[in-house]
Amino acid sequence: RKEVEQDPGPFNVPEGATVAFNCTYSNSASQSFFWYRQDCRKEPKLLMSVYSSGNEDGRFTAQLNRASQYISLLIRDSKLSDSATYLCVVKDPSGTYKYIFGTGTRLKVLA
Amino acid sequence: DGGITQSPKYLFRKEGQNVTLSCEQNLNHDAMYWYRQDPGQGLRLIYYSQIVNDFQKGDIAEGYSVSREKKESFPLTVTSAQKNPTAFYLCASSILGPQHGYTFGSGTRLTVV
Repeated sequence: RKEVEQDPGPFNVPEGATVAFNCTYSNSASQSFFWYRQDCRKEPKLLMSVYSSGNEDGRFTAQLNRASQYISLLIRDSKLSDSATYLCVVKDPSGTYKYIFGTGTRLKVLA
Repeated sequence: DGGITQSPKYLFRKEGQNVTLSCEQNLNHDAMYWYRQDPGQGLRLIYYSQIVNDFQKGDIAEGYSVSREKKESFPLTVTSAQKNPTAFYLCASSILGPQHGYTFGSGTRLTVV
């Protein structure tokens, strides 16, 4: 089993739609989680951290489910500019300050 | 403005040559990292460093070398021993703490010709 797994997509959704991605992680000791956005041929950029209580930033909501070992990202009212690959990132809990990346979920928002 | 700078943006190398990719940060971050990304694949960790003059191998260190003589700098050398070096190389830095993510540089695209 991979340490961090994501559905590669692509998710093709119309503008204005709500879309959700899940990401599962294998190490139950993991404590820190993040979502990154990567545009084609660009570097990943931090979208949001994921806190135990869940957190929201505008149209984006991130949630953590420790019992089932997954994190989710919900995007409401999708915009064309949301088209990108969304990377799930889990910090290695062994104390080495390594971060483990999922392979990403590709989103295409269609006009 | 603080940030992390990678150079060059594009690099072409002949087979059998060593090349060095530059990574400099002025964020005062303790930790620095090198990742490789191949088309359609995730990021794979090459080397990382949490403190000056110390670094650890990541998952795919063979054929690569690094140094960390200054806090701000973490250059990566791609040696001729790396069998398939054509890829997108990303440098990142972070604060040493549980809730801090990475800041990435804009990357270097290396092509072997």
